[in-house]
Amino acid sequence: QVQLLESGGGVVQPGRSLRLSCAASGFTFSNYGLYWVRQAPGKGLEWVAVLSYDGRTKYYADSVKGRFAISRDNSKNTLYLQMDSLRAEDTAVYYCARKPVAGREGGYFDYWGQGTLVTVSS
Amino acid sequence: DIQMTQSPSTLSASVGDRVTITCRASQSISTWLAWYQQKPGKAPNLLIYKASNLESGVPSRFSGSGSGTEFTLTISRLQPDDFATYYCQQYNTYWTFGQGTKVEIK
Repeated sequence: QVQLLESGGGVVQPGRSLRLSCAASGFTFSNYGLYWVRQAPGKGLEWVAVLSYDGRTKYYADSVKGRFAISRDNSKNTLYLQMDSLRAEDTAVYYCARKPVAGREGGYFDYWGQGTLVTVSS
Repeated sequence: DIQMTQSPSTLSASVGDRVTITCRASQSISTWLAWYQQKPGKAPNLLIYKASNLESGVPSRFSGSGSGTEFTLTISRLQPDDFATYYCQQYNTYWTFGQGTKVEIK
């Protein structure tokens, strides 16, 4: 079955960096686009970034543009989120999620990981 | 940016009730809308995509409708497992979620 497992979260000081990973299994990783979505404590969901199946197309939310970078290693079935210049408002549970099909038709999230908590605090 | 507004924010209901949640978009999104259920401490779970398509494995008591700027999620007969928070999400232009509707026990 499809599984997505995030790791790399933790407590980090403002201005520092952190890299999240999302290990995938149960499907042909290189055929699917992937997202990062976050949820601040007690708040709603916010899309963060998306990456196409081949790594060529990526988009970022304005709130993280220029600070976060999404990437993937199809040989390792792993998605990454490099987070630099972290701010207190980046504190959230970060989920990776799968894009079910290419293009706008697949602009939703059919499978999600369990999430990893990032806390930005001095 | 497209804003998504859900109503109500909280809904109190009893087992067996018919429940309707509304989601409005700030501009037309055709039928590029999905619905998710989230329970505390868990990841969201996809219920509906393209406004009215039921995801595989989701009970048929869940249904979605609408197009353009107004959408609804209906639970025909609320079950104990359905008490949760529900989110709509548009994918017409980038991706944005509604603020959520918490369905609680009356």
